[in-house]
Amino acid sequence: QKEVEQDPGPLSVPEGAIVSLNCTYSNSAFQYFMWYRQYSRKGPELLMYTYSSGNKEDGRFTAQVDKSSKYISLFIRDSQPSDSATYLCAMNGVGYGQNFVFGPGTRLSVLP
Amino acid sequence: EAGVTQSPTHLIKTRGQQATLRCSPISGHTSVYWYQQALGLGLQFLLWYDEGEERNRGNFPPRFSGRQFPNYSSELNVNALELEDSALYLCASSRRGNLNYGYTFGSGTRLTVV
Repeated sequence: QKEVEQDPGPLSVPEGAIVSLNCTYSNSAFQYFMWYRQYSRKGPELLMYTYSSGNKEDGRFTAQVDKSSKYISLFIRDSQPSDSATYLCAMNGVGYGQNFVFGPGTRLSVLP
Repeated sequence: EAGVTQSPTHLIKTRGQQATLRCSPISGHTSVYWYQQALGLGLQFLLWYDEGEERNRGNFPPRFSGRQFPNYSSELNVNALELEDSALYLCASSRRGNLNYGYTFGSGTRLTVV
């Protein structure tokens, strides 16, 4: 079993839809959770960062962490064609130093 | 503020050759990380450098090596290239001990081994 699993997609939604992207993980030591967005031919860029459990909102983006279920989600409201990208979850915790463990990514297409 | 810069953008090598990839971190960042992003495999951690020293390495063979220079820029060397080394190599930087803002990634070097 991989440390971090992510719905592989690809996921296609119409413009304006609410998108839910999810990751599950196996190691309860993870405490720091991040979501990155990666456009084609570019490096990943940090979207959201959360520590431990709970929700965090930033504009159209909401990140949720449920440590009891080892499950994190990223919600995108009012999705736009410019949101079309690959979304990567990443995690860090005790024993991992400065290294993040990344999920394989979910490719999202928002159709106009 | 300039971001993380990587060079070259693309690199084509033949099997058995050596490849050298370069990375300049954001000013003030002392930690540099190297990741391999192969098709369908996600980002795999390669190496972490801080203050000129290798702090950690991922599960890659010794032919993947690198170094960090006094100005915190870094070089990744891949010896005896194999076809499966073809991937996007991403460099990232951060302030040491401060992961509150995660890493900042460069745009990567696309290495193709033929």
